[in-house]
Amino acid sequence: AQKITQTQPGMFVQEKEAVTLDCTYDTSDPSYGLFWYKQPSSGEMIFLIYQGSYDQQNATEGRYSLNFQKARKSANLVISASQLGDSAMYFCAMREGNGGATNKLIFGTGTLLAVQP
Amino acid sequence: SAVISQKPSRDICQRGTSLTIQCQVDSQVTMMFWYRQQPGQSLTLIATANQGSEATYESGFVIDKFPISRPNLTFSTLTVSNMSPEDSSIYLCSVADRALGYTFGSGTRLTVV
Repeated sequence: AQKITQTQPGMFVQEKEAVTLDCTYDTSDPSYGLFWYKQPSSGEMIFLIYQGSYDQQNATEGRYSLNFQKARKSANLVISASQLGDSAMYFCAMREGNGGATNKLIFGTGTLLAVQP
Repeated sequence: SAVISQKPSRDICQRGTSLTIQCQVDSQVTMMFWYRQQPGQSLTLIATANQGSEATYESGFVIDKFPISRPNLTFSTLTVSNMSPEDSSIYLCSVADRALGYTFGSGTRLTVV
């Protein structure tokens, strides 16, 4: 069965510094997708970045990058130049299968990031 | 990307009553997903709703407690039945959007007193 593990319940980072949020996963399906979401205190789920299992390069989206190490089954999120507005809960999630609209997402337990001025 | 309108945004309900949460999508989607997020916890999938058939429930969730309707390709409801304080959570609906992954509704914050 698929599983997502986030081992950091909480993280602190100084404003303007980079921070890495860890995520490991387990699946027997060779085709899968990995996602990161941000959830501020308002409760909405904001999509940040996506990595497909067959993607050759690590995904990047602005200040967000995904450090994808397939052999180690890890998909760490790197946030560069942290901003106060980055303070939120961050969830790693996985979808098994090749992206059909019927595939469900499974979430990790989340990491609460606090950016300090 | 898909836009989801979810309502109510929050409610306070008496134990023993039921609440129906609605999600309206601005485009036709095959599946809609319903999640529960208990206080301080992650998102747990309740069920997957396909138009024209019964929803598929995850382990630990039953239709009598969380009946779901999916009358068409743009709309779904989740009912939380016979509520107890343990049902106090955020409930979110979601659809798969190939361009941006999965889009979520803004959530329903439910407090049962």
